[in-house]
Amino acid sequence: QVQLQESGPGLVKPSQTLSLTCTVSGASISTGGYYWNWIRQHPGKGLEWIGYIYYSGSTYYNPSLKSRVNISVDTSKNQFSLKLSSVTAADTAVYFCARGLVAAATLYDWGQGTLVTVSS
Amino acid sequence: QSALTQPASVSGSPGQSITISCTGTSSDVGGDNYVSWYQHHPGKAPKLMIYAVSNRPSGVSNRFSGSKSGNTASLTISGLQAEDEGDYYCSSYTTHSFYVFGTGTKVTVL
Repeated sequence: QVQLQESGPGLVKPSQTLSLTCTVSGASISTGGYYWNWIRQHPGKGLEWIGYIYYSGSTYYNPSLKSRVNISVDTSKNQFSLKLSSVTAADTAVYFCARGLVAAATLYDWGQGTLVTVSS
Repeated sequence: QSALTQPASVSGSPGQSITISCTGTSSDVGGDNYVSWYQHHPGKAPKLMIYAVSNRPSGVSNRFSGSKSGNTASLTISGLQAEDEGDYYCSSYTTHSFYVFGTGTKVTVL
């Protein structure tokens, strides 16, 4: 059974960089056929896809966030990470990581999410 | 890229069937058969219910079914049960190689 767990600071100051890590167990990030995603949910709102990375390092980002987002992968630790720069209160959200199945273009397994609040 | 359009809420009595629509464009829902549906209970991990328009992952009840016509996809829940309450989101992989989600639908079992 694949499990994903988000971790990182729950509070980030405005203008700083939000950094989160997703640790994967039960599957290897290096296995082809999957991509590794970040999604967020603003309080009381719907889901917003942030971006994904393939184990080879190829990335795709939401155009609306592309200038501030960086997703990286550490295959030795079976982890992938999100960095979102120049954050504002509008970036306060629950952040989820998820494993995507390339062949079906779907998000098959999800973490429980972690709340990140942007505030001074 | 705009969010896909879903009704804000849908309700039904136990045993009834309900359908949730998801309307997009020819660049997403209508572009290919990459529509998925997720069930989400706040505080928990979203759960994949349907992928590739009409396919159920292992372990998902056959009371859940999906379909698509043109730029609109639909999720039908048959034999509605109390445990089906929650938020439902559609998503589509677009022709530009990224995902877009629906606005979300709150399902209430009366």
